[in-house]
Amino acid sequence: GENVEQHPSTLSVQEGDSAVIKCTYSDSASNYFPWYKQELGKRPQLIIDIRSNVGEKKDQRIAVTLNKTAKHFSLHITETQPEDSAVYFCAASKGGSYIPTFGRGTSLIVHP
Amino acid sequence: NAGVTQTPKFRILKIGQSMTLQCAQDMNHNYMYWYRQDPGMGLKLIYYSVGAGITDKGEVPNGYNVSRSTTEDFPLRLELAAPSQTSVYFCASSLRTGPSGGANVLTFGAGSRLTVL
Repeated sequence: GENVEQHPSTLSVQEGDSAVIKCTYSDSASNYFPWYKQELGKRPQLIIDIRSNVGEKKDQRIAVTLNKTAKHFSLHITETQPEDSAVYFCAASKGGSYIPTFGRGTSLIVHP
Repeated sequence: NAGVTQTPKFRILKIGQSMTLQCAQDMNHNYMYWYRQDPGMGLKLIYYSVGAGITDKGEVPNGYNVSRSTTEDFPLRLELAAPSQTSVYFCASSLRTGPSGGANVLTFGAGSRLTVL
């Protein structure tokens, strides 16, 4: 089955810095890659996603890039703010099974 | 719409006891899932369902059972609770509209924190 590796497990940055979280996947048939944000004590919520026919997608301060050849995708957060502090999960799924496989999560800490 | 509703939010069980975590969604989603979340381990899929009457095992199904008698409800049953089942459990749902899949956006419940002592 699919295997998703996520790095780093913890990321500490100063407010205003950029943050990058990277994920690799094993199944070349995977074609949908969402990112979820989970604030402390809350439920995971989708923040951005990308399909395999697109190389990059942006939404204000966040962006996701996908390299299908290398089978990795990354989340980029610019001008980080304390409210960006949370655990971020990447996931991968393919059209056939439709079931997402999640990475282990990255705890992002933004220091004011 | 309430979205995905889970009960209870917290529960303490003794080893060997049984219980059911309830999950209901009011979005007419066909897919439903149960995940467990352990510190540093991400979200592990326990069971999932693609529609009423259909369930399948995920990555970590041992010690759990599910049923899907209606589109709305997807309860998770723990038989003979063990300390290894101490975790936070999330129910989620999504809508698949076609055979090619497409974007599978999960809506999660608020979670149920279970402690087995």
